[in-house]
Amino acid sequence: KAGVTQTPRYLIKTRGQQVTLSCSPISGHRSVSWYQQTPGQGLQFLFEYFSETQRNKGNFPGRFSGRQFSNSRSEMNVSTLELGDSALYLCASSLDGSGAQPQHFGDGTRLSIL
Amino acid sequence: AQKVTQAQTEISVVEKEDVTLDCVYETRDTTYYLFWYKQPPSGELVFLIRRNSFDEQNEISGRYSWNFQKSTSSFNFTITASQVVDSAVYFCALSEAGYSTLTFGKGTMLLVSP
Repeated sequence: KAGVTQTPRYLIKTRGQQVTLSCSPISGHRSVSWYQQTPGQGLQFLFEYFSETQRNKGNFPGRFSGRQFSNSRSEMNVSTLELGDSALYLCASSLDGSGAQPQHFGDGTRLSIL
Repeated sequence: AQKVTQAQTEISVVEKEDVTLDCVYETRDTTYYLFWYKQPPSGELVFLIRRNSFDEQNEISGRYSWNFQKSTSSFNFTITASQVVDSAVYFCALSEAGYSTLTFGKGTMLLVSP
């Protein structure tokens, strides 16, 4: 069974630009979550989607947004990039989003802002 | 609010030593789930174990074992006879029932030298 796939693996952008990251969950998984990982703040929850609806959102500014498609694939978008947005962005999928099922993570997208 | 504390930032051991990674959590929920993940240098978070709040049985899987104690709100992870391949950052995480959102600890970097 294929794991969670994130594209691209690496991305370099400049301040003020916007970026879109993509995530394909494990087949059959309906919940997709996004996390930001930085050396200073660690792993922080961004948002979770289930059946194309955002169910939960972390404490991030409105520049961070996402969506989920009918095939459960998800994208997250960051607009007006800032230097502090440099991070590893991890996508995770779980079967039913109940909290009981483990989340399985992709390799992440490493975003660098110049 | 939920909180996960991993007080050990970094642990260095020599191969074949046993090592225990500590995890203390805080939650007001009566139903919750605890997880351990491993993050090797490649960046992907690898799921190791899930434990629900009603199951305090310890678990052993090969060289890995987990000790869950509700009385002290701890979920510690022991690696027996450590190997160089165990070198990674290990994260303890918590989710509440009905939500797949994970609250992570800051992680413990384990360095196993030959």
